[in-house]
Amino acid sequence: NAGVTQTPKFRVLKTGQSMTLLCAQDMNHEYMYWYRQDPGMGLRLIHYSVGEGTTAKGEVPDGYNVSRLKKQNFLLGLESAAPSQTSVYFCASGRSGQSNQPQHFGDGTRLSIL
Amino acid sequence: QQQVKQSPQSLIVQKGGISIINCAYENTAFDYFPWYQQFPGKGPALLIAIRPDVSEKKEGRFTISFNKSAKQFSLHIMDSQPGDSATYFCAASGPGSNYQLIWGAGTKLIIKP
Repeated sequence: NAGVTQTPKFRVLKTGQSMTLLCAQDMNHEYMYWYRQDPGMGLRLIHYSVGEGTTAKGEVPDGYNVSRLKKQNFLLGLESAAPSQTSVYFCASGRSGQSNQPQHFGDGTRLSIL
Repeated sequence: QQQVKQSPQSLIVQKGGISIINCAYENTAFDYFPWYQQFPGKGPALLIAIRPDVSEKKEGRFTISFNKSAKQFSLHIMDSQPGDSATYFCAASGPGSNYQLIWGAGTKLIIKP
């Protein structure tokens, strides 16, 4: 049981390049989330999905796009990377959106934009 | 009104001591207050959580104390061990945040042997 798997684990991009981060979960969870983690700022929600084919904006969605074509996968795209997007990106999944449902996290993607 | 303020930013405790991390929230519509533990190179993992209808919840060496009137909650780690060294995040969610977790900034805890 792998839980939540994120690929790649590390990536260095040049300003203006594009890339896609992949998140896969094998727990049949409905909800999936993308966060970014920056020093001293905790986790900030970028986008989330409440089910296959749905997406919604979080707290910091600008510069990112997402897709949830399959229930088990949630993709985060950077169309034109900027240095301000240097961060650690975490994907999480949850059985539902109810407050008492824990979120299960992957181990993160460390992204540097030069 | 959506903020969750966490303190201290970092904490050093001797082995066997009590570690205390505090959080304060503003939105009275929050109804779920979890603590997550994160080890280096890993994602956060749920440690313990509380709802506002109780003032305390204990799981092993970990206890959440909740003060609804003060809008504060804290994590106490009793008999702290080197293996507890990690970053701890408090969070809050509820109708006021569309059930999305609002996270504190994190506390890096170091337990000295």
